[in-house]
Amino acid sequence: GAGVSQSPRYKVTKRGQDVALRCDPISGHVSLYWYRQALGQGPEFLTYFNYEAQQDKSGLPNDRFSAERPEGSISTLTIQRTEQRDSAMYRCASSQYGTSGGANEQFFGPGTRLTVL
Amino acid sequence: KNQVEQSPQSLIILEGKNCTLQCNYTVSPFSNLRWYKQDTGRGPVSLTIMTFSENTKSNGRYTATLDADTKQSSLHITASQLSDSASYICVVSAVAGSYQLTFGKGTKLSVIP
Repeated sequence: GAGVSQSPRYKVTKRGQDVALRCDPISGHVSLYWYRQALGQGPEFLTYFNYEAQQDKSGLPNDRFSAERPEGSISTLTIQRTEQRDSAMYRCASSQYGTSGGANEQFFGPGTRLTVL
Repeated sequence: KNQVEQSPQSLIILEGKNCTLQCNYTVSPFSNLRWYKQDTGRGPVSLTIMTFSENTKSNGRYTATLDADTKQSSLHITASQLSDSASYICVVSAVAGSYQLTFGKGTKLSVIP
């Protein structure tokens, strides 16, 4: 059984370029989450989806960041006009039941390491 | 502000020895606490989950304890193996099913032969 996968695993880009990070959740999982993790820190919530609907984007740092999940499965996190401070590990997670209750374990992907030069 | 503090930041132990990792939290209201294991280059994987009413839970050589009164949890690893080398992250949820989790910074454990 495949877990959460993310691509690319590593991305190096120049300041000002746009980047798109992809997340493939576990098949059938209702909820999908995006986190950003700085070195030596725990993950920081960015946004999440139930099916294709973006439920909360309060963690997105600014309007250069956006995410979509058009068919309720694969999700893309896009960062426009990247800046050096955007450099971090971007992690995706998915959970089976959505956020209505229960233990609702989140399964994490390996992350995309973004470096903005 | 909800916070999760872990100690020690890093730990080196000999293979076969036991160790205990600590987690203190100020998340309120409390719903559940998870310990995750994160291998280098991989995503975190859940080891245990504990709710308010649970004091201890085991998963093989891993035993987690929870004291909801003092808001402390520990993860005890017995008879450590080289494969236990990883970061161990304490994660607390304030509301059942909540998507907003509070993560600790993790304890980096190195098991050496």
